[in-house]
Amino acid sequence: NAGVTQTPKFQVLKTGQSMTLQCAQDMNHEYMSWYRQDPGMGLRLIHYSVGAGITDQGEVPNGYNVSRSTTEDFPLRLLSAAPSQTSVYFCATSGTSGRFGAGELFFGEGSRLTVL
Amino acid sequence: AQSVTQPDIHITVSEGASLELRCNYSYGATPYLFWYVQSPGQGLQLLLKYFSGDTLVQGIKGFEAEFKRSQSSFNLRKPSVHWSDAAEYFCAVGASSSASKIIFGSGTRLSIRP
Repeated sequence: NAGVTQTPKFQVLKTGQSMTLQCAQDMNHEYMSWYRQDPGMGLRLIHYSVGAGITDQGEVPNGYNVSRSTTEDFPLRLLSAAPSQTSVYFCATSGTSGRFGAGELFFGEGSRLTVL
Repeated sequence: AQSVTQPDIHITVSEGASLELRCNYSYGATPYLFWYVQSPGQGLQLLLKYFSGDTLVQGIKGFEAEFKRSQSSFNLRKPSVHWSDAAEYFCAVGASSSASKIIFGSGTRLSIRP
């Protein structure tokens, strides 16, 4: 039972490079989201999706793109990496969405990104 | 939009002592409230959640939290902490009115004194 799988776990980029963080889930959850975690800042929501074909911005969306073509996958794209995007990124899913809001989140193990 | 404040950045308590971690939220309607715990190098694990009903919520590992609407608070408590409780604790709020997002506080790091 894989749950939420994030790849890669570690990545070093140079400023201006692009990359994609992958998130895959096998729980048939409608809701998927990306957070970044920085010391003293807690987790900040980047983008989220309530189902295939539907995405929306969170608290800190600038510099990141997402798409949701399938229920299982929710990749996070950095088009031109900046040192300010050095962080630990978490993908999180939930089985509850719609008018009752997102329920309990299930987290991946995180992806540590360093931008030089 | 909802928001969460955890006023204590770092708390140290002695093993066996009681614990209370503070959480204040801002949201116009009845919120969904959560406490998560993160051990070093790990992802987050749900401790407990409040959606509706009884305002005192029991969670895993002996934790409980009380929803106080008048104070916009959802403080986490444990009667007697163990060394294994040392971790970072996050309070989070979700909007009940629409399909949307869960917003986290900045976290409280808990250290345990032997």
